[in-house]
Amino acid sequence: AQSVTQLDSQVPVFEEAPVELRCNYSSSVSVYLFWYVQYPNQGLQLLLKYLSGSTLVKGINGFEAEFNKSQTSFHLRKPSVHISDTAEYFCAVCRDTGFQKLVFGTGTRLLVSP
Amino acid sequence: EAGVAQSPRYKIIEKRQSVAFWCNPISGHATLYWYQQILGQGPKLLIQFQNNGVVDDSQLPKDRFSAERLKGVDSTLKIQPAKLEDSAVYLCASSLLPSGLLYEQYFGPGTRLTVT
Repeated sequence: AQSVTQLDSQVPVFEEAPVELRCNYSSSVSVYLFWYVQYPNQGLQLLLKYLSGSTLVKGINGFEAEFNKSQTSFHLRKPSVHISDTAEYFCAVCRDTGFQKLVFGTGTRLLVSP
Repeated sequence: EAGVAQSPRYKIIEKRQSVAFWCNPISGHATLYWYQQILGQGPKLLIQFQNNGVVDDSQLPKDRFSAERLKGVDSTLKIQPAKLEDSAVYLCASSLLPSGLLYEQYFGPGTRLTVT
């Protein structure tokens, strides 16, 4: 089975500062990895995904993530955040073959202040 | 392209009452998912449909929860009777295919259920 750990429940940051949201996963098989964002009172929206190929993945809204197989990590980064980036961010994993079920982490709340 | 629609958006009921949630997926999406998101946790898959057949319902509390997807389009999730611990946001999602490179789930806005 797969599992995801997001150690930071909340990350406060000032506007225009860089940010990194951490995600570590556990799996005995190869996986696909995802980052979703959830704005208040809205559903989840896909930010980016890693399926194969380059380990640096670029997504929407200026976010990017790097897949590190040896460290089983998939950290999300943005060089300069905006107030509008305030939201809940979820890392998710699924196996890359067979029956695929998304397993989500507990989420990290990004709080951007002026 | 219209997104995933869910109703109602909010529902407050007393414990032991019943409640139903409705979801209409994106047109043409064969796979439909229901997730439960308890406050402070990530979404947990309750049930997955492929067209009108159940693919996975291993985490659905079948003694009180039921779901159906008649005609392979919209879906209803029911809880009867509700317990306090069922308070959560219920998210519906759909995807074109359940696996492979087209594996992207589109989520609806959710239904926030409060059981008192």
